[in-house]
Amino acid sequence: DTGVSQDPRHKITKRGQNVTFRCDPISEHNRLYWYRQTLGQGPEFLTYFQNEAQLEKSRLLSDRFSAERPKGSFSTLEIQRTEQGDSAMYLCASSSLHRGYSYNEQFFGPGTRLTVL
Amino acid sequence: AQSVTQLGSHVSVSEGALVLLRCNYSSSVPPYLFWYVQYPNQGLQLLLKYTTGATLVKGINGFEAEFKKSETSFPLTKPSAHMSDAAEYFCAVTFTGGGNKLTFGTGTQLKVEL
Repeated sequence: DTGVSQDPRHKITKRGQNVTFRCDPISEHNRLYWYRQTLGQGPEFLTYFQNEAQLEKSRLLSDRFSAERPKGSFSTLEIQRTEQGDSAMYLCASSSLHRGYSYNEQFFGPGTRLTVL
Repeated sequence: AQSVTQLGSHVSVSEGALVLLRCNYSSSVPPYLFWYVQYPNQGLQLLLKYTTGATLVKGINGFEAEFKKSETSFPLTKPSAHMSDAAEYFCAVTFTGGGNKLTFGTGTQLKVEL
């Protein structure tokens, strides 16, 4: 396994711009999660997919946020009209029932740190 | 609803001393409990997990945790701290169903001093 990868690792943008992040889960992992971590806080759940279906969205995911996983592999998280309050680390995680694992055990990527100026 | 409380946002220990990080949880159904470690500008690495069975679980890097149901706690310990243990530690809870999404505590920053 190559692990969960995220791109870019860092993104600096100006308020009002749109940004898109990508997450590549561990191959064969059919669940993919997005979390947001602000400074001094633990990660907070945003949304998750099982294969290509988005099964749950948090109230934290405003209308400016959209996530997709079109082919059940990689996922993108887009933020439109960014605000300074969107500055955070965006973490992706994946999980699977393969190889004796459970959906509870999530493997995290390195995160994308977003700074909105 | 489930929640996690980590007591002590900053803990400082001497190298070689016992590490004890506290975690209390609230869950209306049997929980699954996790400890993750995060180094600066990195993602989360799983230290250990409790699902079912033995209440004392051992993880990587010499850490262990005990599921204390009556106290609704899951403290993380390590007998002898090493400089490389300096990091932020997060306790998390989930349960079967409900998407298995994790609910995290606010984290404890562990400092190890010479």
